[in-house]
Amino acid sequence: DVKVTQSSRYLVKRTGEKVFLECVQDMDHENMFWYRQDPGLGLRLIYFSYDVKMKEKGDIPEGYSVSREKKERFSLILESASTNQTSMYLCASSPGSKQNIQYFGAGTRLSVL
Amino acid sequence: TQLLEQSPQFLSIQEGENLTVYCNSSSVFSSLQWYRQEPGEGPVLLVTVVTGGEVKKLKRLTFQFGDARKDSSLHITAAQTGDTGLYLCAGFYSGGYQKVTFGTGTKLQVIP
Repeated sequence: DVKVTQSSRYLVKRTGEKVFLECVQDMDHENMFWYRQDPGLGLRLIYFSYDVKMKEKGDIPEGYSVSREKKERFSLILESASTNQTSMYLCASSPGSKQNIQYFGAGTRLSVL
Repeated sequence: TQLLEQSPQFLSIQEGENLTVYCNSSSVFSSLQWYRQEPGEGPVLLVTVVTGGEVKKLKRLTFQFGDARKDSSLHITAAQTGDTGLYLCAGFYSGGYQKVTFGTGTKLQVIP
């Protein structure tokens, strides 16, 4: 079974802090994604990566950056957390061919106070 | 940003009832997926539809892709409490590398 693991289920941070959300997948997938999920808005794509050290902006990249130094790990970074970044963050991975299944982690619920 | 609107946003029904969830856009998609998300978990893929007009069945769930590939529907027959969850559609574009847009979500509660 594909496993996508997010390092924390819950995080509480203060405004202005630098926040790292970590995601690891164990199926050697080329593609990895970060989404945020808010009620009534569905999932919105923040960034994705189709190879090591490669990244592409999604629909809402402002205030976020990402890092993919190894194939299995994709990190989301909030350089200076703000209260409007309080949300559920979901990581996903998928194999290399287009329009494949995305496998999701269980999510990290981040609260910025 | 492409938008995928789902309706209704919330649905609460009795066990045994039928229901339909809609996913609509002004954009044409090369394919469309439906996911279900249970509380505390990430979304899990239910089905992928690729051809305009395509109908796929998964036990009591019937998925249809619109002829123009701009919309889709999910119909559940004789709902069970295990169908409770958040249903999300996701549309894929041709021309974008793995570019996908998720719908706004439909939260379904099936009451025993």
